[in-house]
Amino acid sequence: AQTVTQSQPEMSVQEAETVTLSCTYDTSESDYYLFWYKQPPSRQMILVIRQEAYKQQNATENRFSVNFQKAAKSFSLKISDSQLGDAAMYFCAYREGVTNFGNEKLTFGTGTRLTIIP
Amino acid sequence: DTGVSQNPRHKITKRGQNVTFRCDPISEHNRLYWYRQTLGQGPEFLTYFQNEAQLEKSRLLSDRFSAERPKGSFSTLEIQRTEQGDSAMYLCASSLVSGTTKETQYFGPGTRLLVL
Repeated sequence: AQTVTQSQPEMSVQEAETVTLSCTYDTSESDYYLFWYKQPPSRQMILVIRQEAYKQQNATENRFSVNFQKAAKSFSLKISDSQLGDAAMYFCAYREGVTNFGNEKLTFGTGTRLTIIP
Repeated sequence: DTGVSQNPRHKITKRGQNVTFRCDPISEHNRLYWYRQTLGQGPEFLTYFQNEAQLEKSRLLSDRFSAERPKGSFSTLEIQRTEQGDSAMYLCASSLVSGTTKETQYFGPGTRLLVL
């Protein structure tokens, strides 16, 4: 079974600084997707960034970028120029890529709570 | 707002009572998912639908849980004879899957259940 591990329960960063959140995963599949979702306090989960495993280029979305190391099964999220609105729980998630029954579910890590220090 | 909506947002019930939650997905999405999130944990998959067909159920979904999506649009999740261990946030998500295209899952705000 696939597992996703986030080893940092909590992180903090000064406003305008850069922070990196770690995620490792375990899978025997070659085709899969990885995601970072953000869950602000009492608000719904929103997608931050998505990476297809077959793509060698790391995904970027404005201030958010990932470092995808397929061989190491590592998928870290870098947030540049941190803003107060970035404060949230961040979840790393995995999904298989092949269209078959039973492969649609997202498998989440336990999350990292990010605090932004003004 | 055309996002995923869930009702109610909060539910407090007594142990042994039945509860039902509703999820309205993004209108053109054919896939609908239910997850459960307990305090301090990431969401865990419960079940999902392709249109009105329920394609997979997690072992977490005991016989007291039932989900439906009768017309391939909104979905309901019912918990019978609730137990204190059912207290959690119940999240709904939807996505569009067409051929080999598998789109991102978009989440609703969740229904927080407290069983006393």
